[in-house]
Amino acid sequence: KAGVTQTPRYLIKTRGQQVTLSCSPISGHRSVSWYQQTPGQGLQFLFEYFSETQRNKGNFPGRFSGRQFSNSRSEMNVSTLELGDSALYLCASSLTGLDTEAFFGQGTRLTVV
Amino acid sequence: AQSVSQHNHHVILSEAASLELGCNYSYGGTVNLFWYVQYPGQHLQLLLKYFSGDPLVKGIKGFEAEFIKSKFSFNLRKPSVQWSDTAEYFCAVKGPGTYKYIFGTGTRLKVLA
Repeated sequence: KAGVTQTPRYLIKTRGQQVTLSCSPISGHRSVSWYQQTPGQGLQFLFEYFSETQRNKGNFPGRFSGRQFSNSRSEMNVSTLELGDSALYLCASSLTGLDTEAFFGQGTRLTVV
Repeated sequence: AQSVSQHNHHVILSEAASLELGCNYSYGGTVNLFWYVQYPGQHLQLLLKYFSGDPLVKGIKGFEAEFIKSKFSFNLRKPSVQWSDTAEYFCAVKGPGTYKYIFGTGTRLKVLA
């Protein structure tokens, strides 16, 4: 079956702009989580959605937001981009969010210039 | 505070050498422990996981990890590495009933042919 699909794979934006990233989970999975990966910081949890509801949020500023649609696809939005937002953004899906394994997409590489 | 520490940021080994990557965590209560691997250009994938029972866990591709509760450690081992093991390795914890992983900062392993 198809894995977790993230689009686009690469993005270049300028400071002050906003960006929207998309994640399509594995079919049947209802939980979608987002992580920011940067060198030296590892993966930092952004938020988790289940059935269109945000259940958990990490320690990121309000410029980072997300949503989930009825088909479990999720988007995350970053407004007023800063240079420090340059990172690989990973999406993970699982059946319930409480599962023993999450499946990750290949990520979206965001570069802010 | 909940955290995961990976002591080695970069490791370089020759093929057939033995590997041990350190992981220590700080987490109140029961935890589930994971090692994920990210091969160049690929998505993060699960190597192995520990929930309960035998503290020596075997995973894919000949990897194993040992949970030592008294030391809050979950070190990853492989007796003989191959060039194809070149990747970044992440240790992670997840509390039962929680939705997010807490990842370490990762260890980049380079295996020389």
